[in-house]
Amino acid sequence: QSALTQPPSASGSPGQSVTISCTGTRSDVGGYNYVSWYQQHPGKAPKLMIYEVYKRPSGVPDRFYGSKSGNTASLTVSGLQAEDEADYYCSSYAGSNNWVFGGGTKLAVL
Amino acid sequence: QVTLRESGPALVKPTQTLTLTCTFSGFSLSTSGMCVSWIRQPPGKALEWLARIDWDDDKYYRTSLKTRLIISKDTSKNQVVLTMTNMDPVDTATYYCARINREDYGVHAFDIWGQGTVVTVSS
Repeated sequence: QSALTQPPSASGSPGQSVTISCTGTRSDVGGYNYVSWYQQHPGKAPKLMIYEVYKRPSGVPDRFYGSKSGNTASLTVSGLQAEDEADYYCSSYAGSNNWVFGGGTKLAVL
Repeated sequence: QVTLRESGPALVKPTQTLTLTCTFSGFSLSTSGMCVSWIRQPPGKALEWLARIDWDDDKYYRTSLKTRLIISKDTSKNQVVLTMTNMDPVDTATYYCARINREDYGVHAFDIWGQGTVVTVSS
């Protein structure tokens, strides 16, 4: 079970859009539509932002958009706001009742 | 309001057994579709899923750690306990518990997390 690959950092100015990638294999991201994304502010618990690739829990702004192509999932944050500055983690089902996470991406709002 | 809180020792010695407790409120693990997982994050590394226990007492473990992990629940106390044997310095990490709510988000998303507890393995 190898971790999913995320860029260590990403950034954008307020109002801009930024996309964070999450690359796995056909055994995890590519094999299932069970990718989820989590936002974590410093010292806080992770928060579910996207599940099943593109679905948003109630209360998550529609500025957060999830997608997937092949073995790579993406989280796009549009209309960047200061409060979006946080760490973002992806996760995917990897089969055989196991789950795998990404290393995390630190999003900076410049 | 759903909350989870992890507790346990901050420091354990190599070869010792780690016992962590996840105490939760706002839901019951006897409710169909509710599950709790343990997830850890070594310093500077990716999150790692460790184990899951379901409302019907089904249990699942990370393949590579299966021989060292035991997960259990006490429904009356609203607690989930994770035991990890033969601790090693590489097990130093922040350990989180998180809920899975099958009815709302399926079984592949962790909808509510605890704040985590830091465990250091050192002699």
